[in-house]
Amino acid sequence: DVKVTQSSRYLVKRTGEKVFLECVQDMDHENMFWYRQDPGLGLRLIYFSYDVKMKEKGDIPEGYSVSREKKERFSLILESASTNQTSMYLCASSPRRNTEAFFGQGTRLTVV
Amino acid sequence: GENVEQHPSTLSVQEGDSAVIKCTYSDSASNYFPWYKQELGKGPQLIIDIRSNVGEKKDQRIAVTLNKTAKHFSLHITETQPEDSAVYFCAANSNTGNQFYFGTGTSLTVIP
Repeated sequence: DVKVTQSSRYLVKRTGEKVFLECVQDMDHENMFWYRQDPGLGLRLIYFSYDVKMKEKGDIPEGYSVSREKKERFSLILESASTNQTSMYLCASSPRRNTEAFFGQGTRLTVV
Repeated sequence: GENVEQHPSTLSVQEGDSAVIKCTYSDSASNYFPWYKQELGKGPQLIIDIRSNVGEKKDQRIAVTLNKTAKHFSLHITETQPEDSAVYFCAANSNTGNQFYFGTGTSLTVIP
């Protein structure tokens, strides 16, 4: 079974902190994604990566950056956390284009 | 980019009844349409998908239909059971195939 693992289930951070959310997949998938999930807004794509060191902006990249130094690991970085970044963050991976995405269990981030 | 709309946002049905969730998309280049189920505290999980060369697909109690001309697709769950209670998301791929656009979700409650 594909496994996508996010490093934390719950995080509480202070405004202005630099925050790292880590995601690891174990199936050698090419594509990895970071989504943000908010009630009534569904899943919105922040960034995705289709290869090591490659990244593309999604619909809401402002205030975020990403890093993919190894194929299995995709990190989301909040450079200076703000309260409006309080949300559920979901990482996903897929083997190639136009195929199923496998999701991690999510990280619920609260910025106070 | 692609715009995916999903209705209804909430749906309650009696156990044993059918449930239907509808989505529309805007980009005629989209050709892959997955449906995800998200249970409380978990990440979304694929339950069924359909590609644009097929009009209907069925897997036991779950079926998906696609109307390319009208740009809409629907999820049908028959003989609903309490364990079907969850949030369901539809999605459509981008014209590059590298990312997905999600609907805003439908919270389904099956009343025993």
